[in-house]
Amino acid sequence: QVTLKESGPALVKPTQTLTLTCTFSGFSFSTTGVRMSWIRQPPGQALEWLARIDWDGETFYSTTLKSRLTISKDTSKNQVVLTMTNVDPVDTATYYCARGVGGILKDWGQGTLVTVSS
Amino acid sequence: DIQMTQSPSSLSASVGDRVSFTCRSSQNIDNYLNWYQLKPGKAPNLLIYAASILQSGVPSRFSGSGVGTDFTLTISSLQPEDFATYYCQQGYTPLWTFGQGTKVDI
Repeated sequence: QVTLKESGPALVKPTQTLTLTCTFSGFSFSTTGVRMSWIRQPPGQALEWLARIDWDGETFYSTTLKSRLTISKDTSKNQVVLTMTNVDPVDTATYYCARGVGGILKDWGQGTLVTVSS
Repeated sequence: DIQMTQSPSSLSASVGDRVSFTCRSSQNIDNYLNWYQLKPGKAPNLLIYAASILQSGVPSRFSGSGVGTDFTLTISSLQPEDFATYYCQQGYTPLWTFGQGTKVDI
């Protein structure tokens, strides 16, 4: 059974760096074709795909947020980490991690709500 | 980036209704189109992938169609648990994108 769980701070101050961790089980990230993504949903708004890291370490980022995002993996810990620099109140959202196969987001975590406020 | 446009943004329906809503991509994405269901407080749920393939465990009242730039999700007989927001997502390019969602309510 695949499980994913997001963790990180619930409250972050503007201009700070946000670090989110996705801890997963039930699959190996070394398996060819596995892709891990971060997606967010601001309150009352649509889903927004943020970043992706593949089994081979290749990374991809949203064009609009590329300069502020870094995605990385620790295969030994079964974790994927997203950092977002210089956060702003507009970054307030529920952040999800998801396991992808090909271009399909097959399994999702429950999400973690991050509020950016001073 | 490929833009995904869903319509309508919301619709009102009743239990038992047949409902359909659409997703349009800004360029040809072949059949690299997936549909997800979101309910408040719950993890998003994959319903349909590759435009028309029903994900395991998803009720057969859900169906998807389309290829190229125009896609449709249909619920043949709306059930109380189907009141939710539905998103399409393209997986054609390395940078994935979602539509703006269609909210189905009573």
